Amino acid sequence: GENVEQHPSTLSVQEGDSAVIKCTYSDSASNYFPWYKQELGKRPQLIIDIRSNVGEKKDQRIAVTLNKTAKHFSLHITETQPEDSAVYFCAASKNNAGNMLTFGGGTRLMVKP
Amino acid sequence: DGGITQSPKYLFRKEGQNVTLSCEQNLNHDAMYWYRQDPGQGLRLIYYSQIVNDFQKGDIAEGYSVSREKKESFPLTVTSAQKNPTAFYLCASSIGQIQETQYFGPGTRLLVL
Repeated sequence: GENVEQHPSTLSVQEGDSAVIKCTYSDSASNYFPWYKQELGKRPQLIIDIRSNVGEKKDQRIAVTLNKTAKHFSLHITETQPEDSAVYFCAASKNNAGNMLTFGGGTRLMVKP
Repeated sequence: DGGITQSPKYLFRKEGQNVTLSCEQNLNHDAMYWYRQDPGQGLRLIYYSQIVNDFQKGDIAEGYSVSREKKESFPLTVTSAQKNPTAFYLCASSIGQIQETQYFGPGTRLLVL
């Protein structure tokens, strides 16, 4: 089955700096890659997703890039703010697996004021 | 995501006891999911249901059981066969089957006495 690796497991940045979280996947048939944010004590929420027919997607300070050849995708957060502090999870799925998501292990992002 | 509720917030299980976690949604979603989250780890899929009266095992179904008698409800039973049940359990739902946003409930933390 699919295997998703996520790095780093923890990331500390200064407020205003950029943060990058990387994920690799094993199944070349995977074609949908969402990112979820989980603040402390709260439920995960989708922040951005990308499908395999595009290489990059942006939403304000957040962007995701996808390299299908290398089977990796990354989350980029620019101008980080303290409220960006949370655990971020990447995930992958493919068409013939319904909506089954395989999640990475998570990255704890800490933004220092 | 406010349309998904889980209860109880905390649950204590005694040795050899079966316990049931509740998940209800009023979003009219067809698909529902159960995930287990262990400290510092990602979300692992226990069971999922794409339609009423149908469900499939996820990656870690052993020691768990589910039912889907109503569209709104997808209860998870942690049986005595699950030897390491202490974890945070998250329920999610999505509109249908094909790569759509999953909306998560607030979670239930299960502890063993």
